[in-house]
Amino acid sequence: EVQLVESGGGLIQPGGSLRLSCAASGFTVSSNYMSWVRQAPGKGLEWVSVIYSGYSGGSTYYADSVKGRFTISRDNSKNTLYLQMNSLRAEDTAVYYCARIQWLVASRPFDYWGQGTLVTVSS
Amino acid sequence: QSALTQPASVSGSPGQSITISCTGTSSDVGGYNYVSWYQQHPGKAPKLMIYDVSNRPSGVSNRFSGSQSGNTASLTISGLQAEDEADYYCSSYTNIITHWVFGGGTKLTVL
Repeated sequence: EVQLVESGGGLIQPGGSLRLSCAASGFTVSSNYMSWVRQAPGKGLEWVSVIYSGYSGGSTYYADSVKGRFTISRDNSKNTLYLQMNSLRAEDTAVYYCARIQWLVASRPFDYWGQGTLVTVSS
Repeated sequence: QSALTQPASVSGSPGQSITISCTGTSSDVGGYNYVSWYQQHPGKAPKLMIYDVSNRPSGVSNRFSGSQSGNTASLTISGLQAEDEADYYCSSYTNIITHWVFGGGTKLTVL
C-alpha cells in the first residue's frame, strides 16, 4: 500500500528555516517524480516544487514564489523526500503536502498525497 | 489570483447532476489537454478523481466524468450523493517551466 507521511511543520519566525520530511512506503521515491504542493489557510492548492526520478536525471524545479529559497531533495536510503525552506515569509504559511506524480500519464497527475504538515510563519 | 478560473460554489440536490467548469488559456488548458481534477474533503488531503481530461483512476465512481472544449474543462458529477460534498480543484500540466497550475477551487454543496 502506498503511503506518504509528512513531518517537520511548526511555528517559525519570519526569516527562519525549516525542513519538511515525507517518508514514503509501498514504492521507491527515487524511481518516481515527487512534488510538494501547499495550501494556505482557506485557500486553494499551489504547486511548489518537483524532483524528477533518478532515471530522468533527478532535475529539480520550483514555483517562482519559492525559487531561490526552497530546495527539494531526497534520501534514497531512507526513501524520504525533503523540502528545505529558508528565508521564510508570512505568505509561506500553509499546509504542505508531498505527492507522488504519475509521470507516465500525459497530464502528470498527483496520484498519491500525504496528510500534510502545517507551517506557520509568524512572529 | 489562481491561474485557472473555477466558480466559487455550486450546489445540487441528491440524485441530480452538476457541472463544474475550469477555464484557462491556450497556454495551459487549451494548449495541452492535460487536465486533472481533485476532490478535497475538509481537513483531508486532495484525492485524484480525473486525469487526462476524462479518465478515472481505479476505484473512482463512474458518476464522475470529465470533458474539455477549447480553453475550458468540465467535471460532471451525476447522481449526487451527500458524500460528494467537498471542494473540487482542476489542474493543468503545462510545460517544464511552469509545470502545474491549479484552479481556485469550487465548493460543492449537496442540498
